[in-house]
Amino acid sequence: DAGVTQSPTHLIKTRGQQVTLRCSPKSGHDTVSWYQQALGQGPQFIFQYYEEEERQRGNFPDRFSGHQFPNYSSELNVNALLLGDSALYLCASSLGGQTMFFGQGTRLTVV
Amino acid sequence: DAKTTQPPSMDCAEGRAANLPCNHSTISGNEYVYWYRQIHSQGPQYIIHGLKNNETNEMASLIITEDRKSSTLILPHATLRDTAVYYCIVSAGREYGNKLVFGAGTILRVKS
Repeated sequence: DAGVTQSPTHLIKTRGQQVTLRCSPKSGHDTVSWYQQALGQGPQFIFQYYEEEERQRGNFPDRFSGHQFPNYSSELNVNALLLGDSALYLCASSLGGQTMFFGQGTRLTVV
Repeated sequence: DAKTTQPPSMDCAEGRAANLPCNHSTISGNEYVYWYRQIHSQGPQYIIHGLKNNETNEMASLIITEDRKSSTLILPHATLRDTAVYYCIVSAGREYGNKLVFGAGTILRVKS
């Protein structure tokens, strides 16, 4: 049983560009959450998707958007990239309110 | 803001038990205590969680005080591979998922 998978593992983008990160949840899970982790800090909650809708959102600007597909997979989109968006982006999945499991993350570098 | 307080770092000798404390004095009745760890920029790994009773699994034991204001994660026989940042998080399960609020965690260094 594959766990949470994220792609790509590493990515380099230029300021002002747009990026899309992808996440496949653990089998049987229906809820996907996204986190941003800057170097040396704990993960920060971006938003959560359930039934293809954004259910909760952290303190992130509208440049950060997402989508959940009928198969529960999810995408995180970031527009107008800033240098400060460089971070490890983590996807986590759960079945409703049960335990959350994380993927290995996508390392985004903005130059 | 995180609802938990953890020491910034701890050392443990290899083969000995590692006891990681966590204070969560404002925990609500419906909130669980979760522990995750993160090894060098990998994704956080779930360890264990509990509500009121002590819990044990193949990785660790979780001891929660009777008033639920603090807890201790116990790794019974620490190895070098247990060196990581350990996060204690309190969160209420909801119909559509938890929102985990991470603090700074405890850096556990296991030394030979």
